[in-house]
Amino acid sequence: AQKITQTQPGMFVQEKEAVTLDCTYDTSDQSYGLFWYKQPSSGEMIFLIYQGSYDEQNATEGRYSLNFQKARKSANLVISASQLGDSAMYFCAMRDLISSGSARQLTFGSGTQLTVLP
Amino acid sequence: ETGVTQTPRHLVMGMTNKKSLKCEQHLGHNAMYWYKQSAKKPLELMFVYSLEERVENNSVPSRFSPECPNSSHLFLHLHTLQPEDSALYLCASSQGLAGVDEQFFGPGTRLTVL
Repeated sequence: AQKITQTQPGMFVQEKEAVTLDCTYDTSDQSYGLFWYKQPSSGEMIFLIYQGSYDEQNATEGRYSLNFQKARKSANLVISASQLGDSAMYFCAMRDLISSGSARQLTFGSGTQLTVLP
Repeated sequence: ETGVTQTPRHLVMGMTNKKSLKCEQHLGHNAMYWYKQSAKKPLELMFVYSLEERVENNSVPSRFSPECPNSSHLFLHLHTLQPEDSALYLCASSQGLAGVDEQFFGPGTRLTVL
């Protein structure tokens, strides 16, 4: 079974500052993927960034980077130069990468509400 | 239309009503998903359709009934719901392959059961 833990229900950050959103996970799978999604108040889940368990380098996508520490089972999201539009709910999720069919379900954490202050 | 669309965006229904939620994906994907998002809870996978295979979360009550007539359309039929079923229902799709298989989400249907 897989489990995702996001311990920060809410975070505040000043505009233009960087912020780190925490995510720890638990799995017995050897090959797995970690995902971060953003959910604005409109409801749609927007994919931000992906990290594979065998990727040696931390993933980066524009202002988003993933601080992946495999031994600690953590996959923290770092947002640099925060913008007001970054205010949203952020979810960490994972799935194994070997299975196909029914086993490709994502396991989500409970989310972190990020508020960017002007 | 592009991406994943869901209709209606908002739905209010009584406990004795029957309604259906619709999801359509325009991405050429082979797998579609229904998720339930309740307040202060992680997203809960309800159903997966992948090619010919359907999988459901065993904890989903029978008052929720999915239908996937083809790879582009997914329905969630609702009947005799309870107030605790009020939630945001999200549809997603993916290519349906092993590996990354990123899921793309629709905007959701906000359901209120009176």
